[in-house]
Amino acid sequence: DGGITQSPKYLFRKEGQNVTLSCEQNLNHDAMYWYRQDPGQGLRLIYYSQIVNDFQKGDIAEGYSVSREKKESFPLTVTSAQKNPTAFYLCASRRYLSGRTDTQYFGPGTRLTVL
Amino acid sequence: AQSVAQPEDQVNVAEGNPLTVKCTYSVSGNPYLFWYVQYPNRGLQFLLKYITGDNLVKGSYGFEAEFNKSQTSFHLKKPSALVSDSALYFCAVRDKKANDYKLSFGAGTTVTVRA
Repeated sequence: DGGITQSPKYLFRKEGQNVTLSCEQNLNHDAMYWYRQDPGQGLRLIYYSQIVNDFQKGDIAEGYSVSREKKESFPLTVTSAQKNPTAFYLCASRRYLSGRTDTQYFGPGTRLTVL
Repeated sequence: AQSVAQPEDQVNVAEGNPLTVKCTYSVSGNPYLFWYVQYPNRGLQFLLKYITGDNLVKGSYGFEAEFNKSQTSFHLKKPSALVSDSALYFCAVRDKKANDYKLSFGAGTTVTVRA
C-alpha cells in the first residue's frame, strides 16, 4: 500500500449525511482514481483525475463528487444522493507517461457503512 | 469496449501443489494486462503485468502469468502454492488504443490453500 494513505479506515454514516473520504499520495503520481468494491462485483470506477484541477466521471459517478486541488490529494464525497453507499472504497494512483501504461497502486481502503 | 472474465469464483488447492487462476479478456485492440492480490480488509497489491514482448511474465512472490493472444487469456500461475497465498485475486485489462488509461477489473477469484 505504501505511499498512498486513506482515512478513515472505517466510517459510519447516517442516512441523509454527506461524508468525505480522504486519499493522499506522496509518490508524485499524476493520475488518481476512486473505486468502489462490493462482494462478488470486483472494482468499479467512480471518478478519476489525470491532472490537477481536472477529473472525469467513471462508470458509477452518480451520488459522488470529487476535487483535485492539489496533486497529492483526491478526496471523495459520498452524498446523500448515493442510494446504496455501504461498500469498501479504494483509492489508487499512477505515474502518467504519455504513450505508456504504468501500474496503478492502491491505498489500504475505507470501509463505509450506512446506519 | 474492454472487459475481463474470471470464470472461477473460488479455487482450492493443497499446499505445495500448483496454483492456476484463470482470466480471459476482451479488447478491440491489443491489451495491457495486470494481476493484483487482495488480503482481507486491505488494498490491492500489484503482482505483475504484461505490456509487450515475452508471453511469460514473472512477478512478485513466485507468481507468473502467460499471455495467450489466440485464446485471449492471461492465467496466473504458481508452481507450488503456500497457505499464505490464500487471498482474493483480480485480473485487469486496458486497451492500448484507449487514451483514458482506465482499467477494467474482473470480479475476482478467491484462492484457498489448505495445509
